Amino acid sequence: GQNIDQPTEMTATEGAIVQINCTYQTSGFNGLFWYQQHAGEAPTFLSYNVLDGLEEKGRFSSFLSRSKGYSYLLLKELQMKDSASYLCAVRGLSGSARQLTFGSGTQLTVLP
Amino acid sequence: NAGVTQTPKFQVLKTGQSMTLQCAQDMNHEYMSWYRQDPGMGLRLIHYSVGAGITDQGEVPNGYNVSRSTTEDFPLRLLSAAPSQTSVYFCASSYSSTSGRAKNIQYFGAGTRLSVL
Repeated sequence: GQNIDQPTEMTATEGAIVQINCTYQTSGFNGLFWYQQHAGEAPTFLSYNVLDGLEEKGRFSSFLSRSKGYSYLLLKELQMKDSASYLCAVRGLSGSARQLTFGSGTQLTVLP
Repeated sequence: NAGVTQTPKFQVLKTGQSMTLQCAQDMNHEYMSWYRQDPGMGLRLIHYSVGAGITDQGEVPNGYNVSRSTTEDFPLRLLSAAPSQTSVYFCASSYSSTSGRAKNIQYFGAGTRLSVL
């Protein structure tokens, strides 16, 4: 089985940097995804890590340590539009785990 | 391309009624999945399919049926609606894990908001 933990809520100020952590336990690992979900909308893909290290894409970066079962999403130069829920998801190796197992999401509020 | 299309966007049912949530994708994806999203519980997998004619259960399959007669369509049927099935339902699709596309990103439809009274 798979278990994913991430903080429920975070608050940050416009222009600042925020780090959203995710820890996971899984019997087989085949990638970790971060999705952004605005209220009332569908999740949209942000980033993907399958090897250890940092992946950078504009203002967003994601880090993975497979040995520690740990990832974080780093958001720089925060904007008001970044207020959303951020979902950490893990893909396993077989059966239903080849689909995604999601954490409960971290609701980020960006204040002016 | 339209991506993943879900209908209806909103639905209200009475306990015991049945209905089908529609999902279609035009990206020729092999994998399709249904999730439900409830407050504080994240997205949970209901059923999934790895190709036409092949379906399997996810984490919370009870009370739901699926079929996959074509690559494009993956309908979700509620057999006898219960208040516990009040939720937001998302359909998603991706390429298969053997397609050579390493990321195999799942793309989501806009969701169906279902209330069962």
